[in-house]
Amino acid sequence: NAGVTQTPKFRILKIGQSMTLQCTQDMNHNYMYWYRQDPGMGLKLIYYSVGAGITDKGEVPNGYNVSRSTTEDFPLRLELAAPSQTSVYFCASSPPDRNTEAFFGQGTRLTVV
Amino acid sequence: QKEVEQDPGPLSVPEGAIVSLNCTYSNSAFQYFMWYRQYSRKGPELLMYTYSSGNKEDGRFTAQVDKSSKYISLFIRDSQPSDSATYLCATRDTSGTYKYIFGTGTRLKVLA
Repeated sequence: NAGVTQTPKFRILKIGQSMTLQCTQDMNHNYMYWYRQDPGMGLKLIYYSVGAGITDKGEVPNGYNVSRSTTEDFPLRLELAAPSQTSVYFCASSPPDRNTEAFFGQGTRLTVV
Repeated sequence: QKEVEQDPGPLSVPEGAIVSLNCTYSNSAFQYFMWYRQYSRKGPELLMYTYSSGNKEDGRFTAQVDKSSKYISLFIRDSQPSDSATYLCATRDTSGTYKYIFGTGTRLKVLA
């Protein structure tokens, strides 16, 4: 069982560069989420999706974009990277039932220099 | 006021100690509560969940919810060095968005 797979695991970007963080899940989950985790700050929601073609902003969407063309994939795009985007990014998915947990990927550690 | 607040720690305890980790939440409509464990440089993994009020036990771990005081607790008995991790409490907004809301996490170190 692959679960939620994120690539790459690590990346160093220069200020102003762009990149896409990939996330795919093989559990046929409707809901997918992108979080960032900064030391001592917990998990902050960037964007989420309730199904293919539907996305919505979370708490901290500025500087990011997402798309959801299939159930399996939910890529996160960083345009014009800034040092404030240095963080660990987690993708998660869950089924639509309200009393279920989210399943997380292993994270992408991004440094912007 | 944050929707979920968690004691940040860090917490260091000797092996064999009883550990108590705590969170509070603000919205009385929240019903489903989770504890995630996150090892260093890994993604969070579900440890336990509870629905509504009451206790749930799983081996050395007990999750407790007190809806009257909006308090969530995780107790670890006979703590082991392998329990050293960050513990995150979480709930889910079931009013329509189904977003997960996390506490900031408590870093626990169990000393051998």
